[in-house]
Amino acid sequence: NAGVTQTPKFRILKIGQSMTLQCTQDMNHNYMYWYRQDPGMGLKLIYYSVGAGITDKGEVPNGYNVSRSTTEDFPLRLELAAPSQTSVYFCASSDGTAANIQYFGAGTRLSVL
Amino acid sequence: AQTVTQSQPEMSVQEAETVTLSCTYDTSESDYYLFWYKQPPSRQMILVIRQEAYKQQNATENRFSVNFQKAAKSFSLKISDSQLGDAAMYFCAYRSSLSQGGSEKLVFGKGTKLTVNP
Repeated sequence: NAGVTQTPKFRILKIGQSMTLQCTQDMNHNYMYWYRQDPGMGLKLIYYSVGAGITDKGEVPNGYNVSRSTTEDFPLRLELAAPSQTSVYFCASSDGTAANIQYFGAGTRLSVL
Repeated sequence: AQTVTQSQPEMSVQEAETVTLSCTYDTSESDYYLFWYKQPPSRQMILVIRQEAYKQQNATENRFSVNFQKAAKSFSLKISDSQLGDAAMYFCAYRSSLSQGGSEKLVFGKGTKLTVNP
């Protein structure tokens, strides 16, 4: 079972470059999320989606964009990368039931130099 | 806004012994969910255990159990018979109840690093 798959696992960007972090899930979950984890900190929500075509901002959305054209995919776009975006990025999905347990991908470690 | 506090940045335990990780949270809501996630060196976030606030009975999953004190807003994790594979970062997380129009997002604490000594 693949679950939530993130690519790439590692990436180094130069300041001002752009990139897209890919996330796909095969559990037919309606809810998907992007978090970032800074050193020594818990995860903070960047954006989330409750279904195809519907996205909303989380706690730290500045500098990022998302889209949700299908149930399976939820890419995160970084425009004009900055050193402050150096972090580990996690994608998660959940089924929207009462417990709404979130299942996480393995993360993408991004460095902006 | 809800907050989650883990006051122990690091803990250590001897193999086969018991350890308790602390978590407190702040909320004005009456219905919510609490979670403990484990993050080993592989970085994968793995759900360890969850607790529904409306349930008085403490959740248990094999060697993992919680002590949920709703009035005190406390949610500690007890690991019994600790194993080397339990070594990881442990995160406490809070989520509002969707059925009461709460947010889907998880609010995380900063984590506790658990070391298991052989």
